[in-house]
Amino acid sequence: KQEVTQIPAALSVPEGENLVLNCSFTDSAIYNLQWFRQDPGKGLTSLLLIQSSQREQTSGRLNASLDKSSGRSTLYIAASQPGDSATYLCAALYNTDKLIFGTGTRLQVFP
Amino acid sequence: DAGVIQSPRHEVTEMGQEVTLRCKPISGHDYLFWYRQTMMRGLELLIYFNNNVPIDDSGMPEDRFSAKMPNASFSTLKIQPSEPRDSAVYFCASSLSRERDTQYFGPGTRLTVL
Repeated sequence: KQEVTQIPAALSVPEGENLVLNCSFTDSAIYNLQWFRQDPGKGLTSLLLIQSSQREQTSGRLNASLDKSSGRSTLYIAASQPGDSATYLCAALYNTDKLIFGTGTRLQVFP
Repeated sequence: DAGVIQSPRHEVTEMGQEVTLRCKPISGHDYLFWYRQTMMRGLELLIYFNNNVPIDDSGMPEDRFSAKMPNASFSTLKIQPSEPRDSAVYFCASSLSRERDTQYFGPGTRLTVL
């Protein structure tokens, strides 16, 4: 069964810290791995998409890595800010065309 | 582009009533997805379309749920009759291609069935 797990479920850090969010997937035959951000009461916003042939993607203070062999992806957030507070979801795309979502990590960055 | 548009944003209805959720995907996107999000089950794919054709509806929970895409710019998700356990946030998303492009999500419809 294709499952995606995210650890931790919640994280609270002071402003300025560098942090890592973890995502693991049971089936390594993915097409791509995507990271989304969801603010309370809002839809999902795409942050980064890593193709299966890639190792990492970067956008500003965000860096996402992918290790297919170990079934893991990490989202690194540098110099965190209160505006980064949100729920972060990873999702794996398989050949079934289905994005399998993790349950998310709820991040709070306090001043 | 205005992004994916969903209506209504909030819907409160009584058990047994018919509910219709609407979605307008981003122009030019070939794929349209309907998701449901609950605290217990997270985000679940209900059904998706490619070029207006339903490809996989295995996520549709029951026959009470149906979805249509009569043209490239409009889709509906209908629940008839609705039940309290259908209460959730329903998202529509669209994408240009399957593998290379991310899915763009609408703001969602928060459905409450009393």
